[in-house]
Formats: sequence, C-alpha cells, structure tokens
Amino acid sequence: AQTVTQSQPEMSVQEAETVTLSCTYDTSENNYYLFWYKQPPSRQMILVIRQEAYKQQNATENRFSVNFQKAAKSFSLKISDSQLGDTAMYFCASRAYNFNKFYFGSGTKLNVKP
Amino acid sequence: NAGVMQNPRHLVRRRGQEARLRCSPMKGHSHVYWYRQLPEEGLKFMVYLQKENIIDESGMPKERFSAEFPKEGPSILRIQQVVRGDSAAYFCASSQSTSGNADTQYFGPGTRLTVL
Repeated sequence: AQTVTQSQPEMSVQEAETVTLSCTYDTSENNYYLFWYKQPPSRQMILVIRQEAYKQQNATENRFSVNFQKAAKSFSLKISDSQLGDTAMYFCASRAYNFNKFYFGSGTKLNVKP
Repeated sequence: NAGVMQNPRHLVRRRGQEARLRCSPMKGHSHVYWYRQLPEEGLKFMVYLQKENIIDESGMPKERFSAEFPKEGPSILRIQQVVRGDSAAYFCASSQSTSGNADTQYFGPGTRLTVL
C-alpha cells in the first residue's frame, strides 16, 4: 500500500513570488511515479508535473519544478513567478509502476494574492 | 481530440434512488478509472476497468456500487439506493495504456452527486 501526506492545508503567496508545497509519501514499491495535480475552482484535475522515481534528475515544467528526495521520500513542488491563475488546490499523488491506481494526498489550497 | 467527458456534471438524488454516472474516455483510450472525492479530501481510487473487464475494484464498496465499461459506449458507475454519505464528486480518468508515457491518466471534469 502507499500513503501520501500533505501537511500544509492552506498557503498564500504574493503574485510573482515563489512558493513551495510539501509532500511526503510512503511506499514499499521499488518503481513508482509521483505527480502533482492542480484542481482550480472548476474542479477539473490538471496534471502539473510528473516524476519517475528511478530518475535522479528533478522534473521541470516551465515555472513548476520539483525537489525529489528519494531517500527521504519527499516530493515538493516549487512554483516560481506565481500567477493569479495558479490559485487552486494542489494534490500530490503516487502510483506504483505496475499498478494503475493513484494514491492522493489531502491537498494544499494555494491562494495567490495580487 | 476531446478530453474525458463526464455527464451529468451535477446530479441530485433522493435517498433510496439510483444514480448513474457516465464517462467517455479520450479517443484511443481503453483504460478507465473512477475516483471519489469527499469534501475537503483528496481523490480515492474506486475501480479500474478495461473494455468489458473490471481489472481492479479494490476501492469500491461491496454493496450498492457497480461499474461497467462495455465494448460500445461510455463507462457507467452505478450507485443503487443512494444514501447521504454517497454525496461527493466522482471523477473519471482514462489512459491509453499502462506503460511508458502512454500511461498518463487524464481526468474528466467530475460529476457532483448530491443526495437529499
């Protein structure tokens, strides 16, 4: 089984600044994937970034990057140059390589202030 | 290429009625997943289906809930004799395969079920 923990229920950041969302996970799998999903008020789930656990290099997608610490089982999301459109719930998730179900954290609500 | 479609977007039922939630996967996707999101919580896996087969239903309650993905048509999540505790957002996701880059799951907009 896998568990995903997000210890920050809510965070705020000023527009154009940088914010880091925390996520820790626990898994007995050797091969797995980690994800960050964004859920704006529309409730649509949008994939932000994905990391393969066997890759040491941290994934990056434009203003979004992760800090993947495999030994510590930590997978934080850094958002640079925050924009008002980044306001949303952010969910961290894990998935074993050979299984298709996601395990989601409880989410962090991010407010970007003008 | 249209994304994952779910309908209805909002569904209101009285206790004891049946709820049917539909999911049309992205074109070319044959793997469908259903998740439930209770208020203020993350998504919880319910069931994974391939065409005409249930692959993993470990997250689905044993009673009142069923799911299907027929050869033709959308996947259906069916909840019989709904209770207030079934009120939640139900998300469907689909993927092209289960390996490599094609295993990325794309989510639909969800169906918000309210049981009165």
